[in-house]
Amino acid sequence: AQSVTQLGSHVSVSEGALVLLRCNYSSSVPPYLFWYVQYPNQGLQLLLKYTSAATLVKGINGFEAEFKKSETSFHLTKPSAHMSDAAEYFCAVRDRRDDKIIFGKGTRLHILP
Amino acid sequence: GAVVSQHPSWVICKSGTSVKIECRSLDFQATTMFWYRQFPKQSLMLMATSNEGSKATYEQGVEKDKFLINHASLTLSTLTVTSAHPEDSSFYICSGLAGSGSYNEQFFGPGTRLTVL
Repeated sequence: AQSVTQLGSHVSVSEGALVLLRCNYSSSVPPYLFWYVQYPNQGLQLLLKYTSAATLVKGINGFEAEFKKSETSFHLTKPSAHMSDAAEYFCAVRDRRDDKIIFGKGTRLHILP
Repeated sequence: GAVVSQHPSWVICKSGTSVKIECRSLDFQATTMFWYRQFPKQSLMLMATSNEGSKATYEQGVEKDKFLINHASLTLSTLTVTSAHPEDSSFYICSGLAGSGSYNEQFFGPGTRLTVL
């Protein structure tokens, strides 16, 4: 069965500092991997996705993630945090054989002024 | 990206009543839609997969007679919570599947907050 593990339910960084949100996946076949952002009382917005092309994936709002097969990781980074980045972030995995997405438990990102 | 809407955005109902939530794909046709529920400060849990013109496929542990799903057209799926109880209070999110094969993508609605008194 596929799964993703997000390390840290809460992460706090100072404005302007590097953002690093960790995600490790478990899958028996090469997966598709996603990062979504959710603002309070809203649905999910796709930040970026990995579908087996380039291992370094660039997304919206300056975020990027690197697929590392050897580490089974897909960590999300942003060089310089902005106050507007404060939100809940979900890592997710999808089996290539069907369309179901399995979400991690989420990481709440706090930006300190 | 493609747009998915949900209606209502929030609803409060009395225990024992039924509530219908609509999920619409506004600018694409979605043969497949998904329904999720999200408890406070928790992740999204897939409830069911809704396919246009056929019965929904429910995840293990989800009561199909309690959560009725109808996908009558390529742009509309509805979730009816029957005989709602306070424990059904949650944030319900739908998504529509656009594209095909490895290039398909789920587009999520803004969610519906259900509070059962």
